[in-house]
Amino acid sequence: GQNIDQPTEMTATEGAIVQINCTYQTSGFNGLFWYQQHAGEAPTFLSYNVLDGLEEKGRFSSFLSRSKGYSYLLLKELQMKDSASYLCAVREGDYKLSFGAGTTVTVRA
Amino acid sequence: GAVVSQHPSWVICKSGTSVKIECRSLDFQATTMFWYRQFPKQSLMLMATSNEGSKATYEQGVEKDKFLINHASLTLSTLTVTSAHPEDSSFYICSALQGETEQYFGPGTRLTVT
Repeated sequence: GQNIDQPTEMTATEGAIVQINCTYQTSGFNGLFWYQQHAGEAPTFLSYNVLDGLEEKGRFSSFLSRSKGYSYLLLKELQMKDSASYLCAVREGDYKLSFGAGTTVTVRA
Repeated sequence: GAVVSQHPSWVICKSGTSVKIECRSLDFQATTMFWYRQFPKQSLMLMATSNEGSKATYEQGVEKDKFLINHASLTLSTLTVTSAHPEDSSFYICSALQGETEQYFGPGTRLTVT
C-alpha cells in the first residue's frame, strides 16, 4: 500500500515562488510524478523523478529524496494561470500510479 | 504529443440505466489503459487497469460486474457503468500508457445520475 501526503491549499502572490511538498510511504517505488489539474479538466504531466535530485523544467522544478520518501514541486515566477491543483503521484511496480489528494494553489495579483 | 480523447465529455442518465464511456488514444497505440474516478475535491482513484485483448484488473473495492471494461483494440477502451445510481455520479478519467513511463490522460467524463 501507500500513503501520500501533501498540503491541501497554498496561496501565493503573482511573481513569487511556491514549494509544494509531498511525502510518501510505499513499497516497490518506481518513480514520482507531478501533475497539474485545472478544475473540471484532466491532469497534465509536469515532471517525473526516479533518481534522487532536482529536475528542472522551465519555471517548474521537482526534487526527490528516496531515502526520506520526500519530494517537492517548485513553481517560480508564478502566473495567474498557475492557479490549479497539483497532484503528487507515486508509481509502484511497472506502471500503477497512486495519487495524493492534491494541493490547490491560488495565485493572487 | 500524445493525445487521448474521451466521449462523451458529460452525460446525465436516470438511475438504473447504463452508460458507456469511450477512451481513445488518437496518435499512438496503447496496450494498457487505466480508468480513474474522482469525486469533488478529492484525488484520482484508480478503478481498473484495462489490457488490450485480456480481462481488466480491478482495484480492491471496485465491482467488476458494475463497471464493465472492454479493451477491444489498441486505441480504444470502454467503461460501462451498469445500473447506475446517484452515488456513481463522478468525474471519470481514463489514461493511456505510452512506452513504459508516461500516462496520458483523457479530458474526463462528468457523469450525473438522477
